[in-house]
Parts: sequence; C-alpha cells; structure tokens
Amino acid sequence: NAGVTQTPKFQVLKTGQSMTLQCAQDMNHEYMSWYRQDPGMGLRLIHYSVGAGITDQGEVPNGYNVSRSTTEDFPLRLLSAAPSQTSVYFCASSYSPRTLGTGELFFGEGSRLTVL
Amino acid sequence: AQTVTQSQPEMSVQEAETVTLSCTYDTSESDYYLFWYKQPPSRQMILVIRQEAYKQQNATENRFSVNFQKAAKSFSLKISDSQLGDAAMYFCAYSAANAGGTSYGKLTFGQGTILTVHP
Repeated sequence: NAGVTQTPKFQVLKTGQSMTLQCAQDMNHEYMSWYRQDPGMGLRLIHYSVGAGITDQGEVPNGYNVSRSTTEDFPLRLLSAAPSQTSVYFCASSYSPRTLGTGELFFGEGSRLTVL
Repeated sequence: AQTVTQSQPEMSVQEAETVTLSCTYDTSESDYYLFWYKQPPSRQMILVIRQEAYKQQNATENRFSVNFQKAAKSFSLKISDSQLGDAAMYFCAYSAANAGGTSYGKLTFGQGTILTVHP
C-alpha cells in the first residue's frame, strides 16, 4: 500500500514550457485534489475531483489543467509555465462522504517546481 | 468564503515544556471539521489531530490536544512535553461538512506556524 505517489519530486522548467505532474493513489479514494504551497500563504487548492470523470476548480486554477479518467490517477498539467507557478505542489486524496468521509486528507510527498 | 488565520508566524519552546499554537477561522457553516497538520523538513504533511464541530469535547491525541471554542471560532493546538521531533511547520485547516455530516475533503489552510524546539 503506497498511499499517494507523486512524480517528479523536483523539476526545473523554462518559461513557456509545459509539463505534467503525476499523482496516483491506491487507497480507492474517490476524492483527489491538488494544492500549491507558497511561503506565508499556506496551501491553496488548485483543482479537485470527486470521482472519475468529474473535476472542478479550486481557489487558484488559472494556468493549470486536470483530468480524471480513472479513480487512481489525477495528473496536473501546466500548459505554459510561468515564474509565478514556482511552488511546491501537493496531491492529496480522501474518502468520499458516501463511504468514510472523515475529512482527513492523505498527502503525497510534494513536488518542487521551479520556473525560470 | 471560509478563511483560516494563524497569527503566529513563528513560535519556540524548550524541550519538555508546553506550547500553544493559535488558529481562528471564519465560516457561516454550522457543521464542519478542523484539523492540525504537521510538516517537518521532509515536507510530508502529517495529520496531528481532527475536531468535528458538532462535538463539544476537545480532541486529544497523546501529547496533542485542542481548545475548540466554536462561538469564538477559535481552534488552538497545545503540545505538552515538547520533543525535538515536534519541530516543524504546523498548519490549521478547515473543511465544510455536507448534509450527511461528513467532509467534502476540500481544505482551507492557514498560513502556518513554524515551531522551534530548543534542547
């Protein structure tokens, strides 16, 4: 049982490049989400998904794209990287309200992205 | 929109002493969850403690306890008998609960408090 797995752990991009942060969970969680962590601002929700085929925007969605084709995977795409997207990104998952919704998020180890 | 505020950017404590981290939140909901997460230098986010808003009793987990004041919208974390391994960034977080009383799993986080433990 690996929990939530994120790749890559570190990435350096040039402005305008695109990339995908991968996230997979093996806990059969219906809820998955992406957060970014910036100094002095805590973690902010980018996008989330309540199940396969269903996604929605969070607090800071601009410049990011997501899809959820399976329960296990929830990739985050940066379409055209900008220096403002330099951050640490966390993928998280949780049980749905229909099963065991205690609200607890299970986090991946984070991905540090630098955009030059 | 809900907001979570941690007014202490940094705190320090001597080993074996007690420290309290503050958190206030703003919401119009009556049913919700509150959390404290710990982030050590490894960057991993670790759940420390959880409080359901409908429960009047304060949650406790070993050396960690909370003081939940619903009317004041305050949710402080007390760490007793502090250990060197408690040194980390601590985040307070809020999550609304749906009509069924369970959480949507979308959290709003505070800015974080860096805790230093002195030997």
